[in-house]
Amino acid sequence: EPEVTQTPSHQVTQMGQEVILRCVPISNHLYFYWYRQILGQKVEFLVSFYNNEISEKSEIFDDQFSVERPDGSNVTLKIRSTKLEDSAMYFCASSEQVSNQPQHFGDGTRLSIL
Amino acid sequence: DQQVKQNSPSLSVQEGRISILNCDYTNSMFDYFLWYKKYPAEGPTFLISISSIKDKNEDGRFTVFLNKSAKHLSLHIVPSQPGDSAVYFCAASSNAGNMLTFGGGTRLMVKP
Repeated sequence: EPEVTQTPSHQVTQMGQEVILRCVPISNHLYFYWYRQILGQKVEFLVSFYNNEISEKSEIFDDQFSVERPDGSNVTLKIRSTKLEDSAMYFCASSEQVSNQPQHFGDGTRLSIL
Repeated sequence: DQQVKQNSPSLSVQEGRISILNCDYTNSMFDYFLWYKKYPAEGPTFLISISSIKDKNEDGRFTVFLNKSAKHLSLHIVPSQPGDSAVYFCAASSNAGNMLTFGGGTRLMVKP
């Protein structure tokens, strides 16, 4: 069964450093999403991305975050200057259509900011 | 933000019996609802969904019921199996956007 893959599985970074999280969505999916889950909290929406543009973003997704599709297969989430509170699991998801279609998630990247 | 709420943090069920997981929501704009299962160190795995035009959707051992007037949905698993032990999340979205709003999850333990 096709799946969403995320790399790395665990990233440890010093506070203030830039970090790039990578995702390969399911191949025929056109809509891409990033979520995060801080330890002990709910899964929270960050951003949705379609046709190389952000279609929706949450309050969490401030200027330090950016999302790109640098080639035909990868989708990346960049955090420019990491803070301690950015420590979380970051999940990538993709879907075929935008509405009334399930989003399929990768296994996540655990980001630890020291 | 409590737009989607799962009031039971955990549920223990005997193998072969029915598991019922519940979820409440407050946003009347939600029109598509999903259930995900999550094992440790893995991402959420899609289980089953339901559109607001329906009140029931069934897929094998899994059935989701939607009560729009009560803003309540439930997931029934029957018969429950030990491999069903995981954290279950309900999520909701509205046609106005594509973001999913998640509940806090219910940990299901199915005892052999």
